[in-house]
Amino acid sequence: GAVVSQHPSWVICKSGTSVKIECRSLDFQATTMFWYRQFPKQSLMLMATSNEGSKATYEQGVEKDKFLINHASLTLSTLTVTSAHPEDSSFYICSARVTSGDTQYFGPGTRLTVL
Amino acid sequence: KNEVEQSPQNLTAQEGEFITINCSYSVGISALHWLQQHPGGGIVSLFMLSSGKKKHGRLIATINIQEKHSSLHITASHPRDSAVYICAAVSGTYKYIFGTGTRLKVLA
Repeated sequence: GAVVSQHPSWVICKSGTSVKIECRSLDFQATTMFWYRQFPKQSLMLMATSNEGSKATYEQGVEKDKFLINHASLTLSTLTVTSAHPEDSSFYICSARVTSGDTQYFGPGTRLTVL
Repeated sequence: KNEVEQSPQNLTAQEGEFITINCSYSVGISALHWLQQHPGGGIVSLFMLSSGKKKHGRLIATINIQEKHSSLHITASHPRDSAVYICAAVSGTYKYIFGTGTRLKVLA
């Protein structure tokens, strides 16, 4: 149980385009989902906390207009990187928190490369 | 100083060795989560601890709340254990505070 999927697993796009990444909890309901980015050999950096039915809470320094988050249901959150630039190239990971607990279950990640 | 410190940062072991990874934290937590990140990037949950000790297969995790310290042990290590091991302190708001990770390489 407690499986989280992400789609796509990798994406290559041209500078200026927008990319949408989906995060789904497959076998449980997740009131809260988290979005992280990770640079090579570095730890995960929290970008935003997404609660179902409400606006996401962004960490300091993360542009909310750049990284659009939508958490429309208890099993799906999406991150859209708008007008992507090469510096947005990174590994993006989502996690989902079981409604009744404090454990986060992580998705497999999405590797974004912006040319 | 990071709120969650791990040691060692890098560890190379021979197959069969007993391995210990340490995690110390300076913040109040509701629990501590040990994670394993494979070279491809996927993160696997190992243990969620709020007290005492947990064991699963060759892995053992302990936590001492008074000393704000947790350890992850791997018995009879194997090359497939090679990965980055991360401890994450769970705050009262459910956010994770991550350690810097321990990069483990087990040689055959």
